Amino acid sequence: AQSVTQPDIHITVSEGASLELRCNYSYGATPYLFWYVQSPGQGLQLLLKYFSGDTLVQGIKGFEAEFKRSQSSFNLRKPSVHWSDAAEYFCAVGAMGANNLFFGTGTRLTVIP
Amino acid sequence: NAGVTQTPKFQVLKTGQSMTLQCAQDMNHNSMYWYRQDPGMGLRLIYYSASEGTTDKGEVPNGYNVSRLNKREFSLRLESAAPSQTSVYFCASRETGVWGLEQYFGPGTRLTVT
Repeated sequence: AQSVTQPDIHITVSEGASLELRCNYSYGATPYLFWYVQSPGQGLQLLLKYFSGDTLVQGIKGFEAEFKRSQSSFNLRKPSVHWSDAAEYFCAVGAMGANNLFFGTGTRLTVIP
Repeated sequence: NAGVTQTPKFQVLKTGQSMTLQCAQDMNHNSMYWYRQDPGMGLRLIYYSASEGTTDKGEVPNGYNVSRLNKREFSLRLESAAPSQTSVYFCASRETGVWGLEQYFGPGTRLTVT
């Protein structure tokens, strides 16, 4: 069965600190992986995506993620967090020919000055 | 290019009332989706439409109906609202024919059923 696990419900970091948000997936086919960000009261915006090739992908706003097939993980990272990064982050998985994406339950990021 | 638009932004209903949530996209996408978002549960798919003229159930379709009015518009109807349908509803769209492309989301409709 397809599933996405984001084990951290809430993370608090200081502004300027590094960030890593975890995502593990279970999928029967070759996965396509996405990270979305949702600011309060807003819709979801795509941060980055992985389809194939280089396992380290760069996204918008200085975010990157690394696909590790052996660990079924697609963790999101940022070297230095800004106050404007406070939001909820969702990992999602899909596959070739599949109509749907499966979303994790999200990780809420709080940034303290 | 407005992307995906949803109306209304907010709505309060009484139990048993009906309403239709509207969604439109101007990106010429074939596939459209309706999700609901509840605290601690992420996004759950209600219905989707892979192309104009087709609709399919998602994970949580009970209590909802959809209409793919044309390629641009995909509406979600609650015939008899229940408090369990209090949620934030998101519409999304994506291209098809090229696998794996991301979905684009609207700003959401926050629905409260009392």
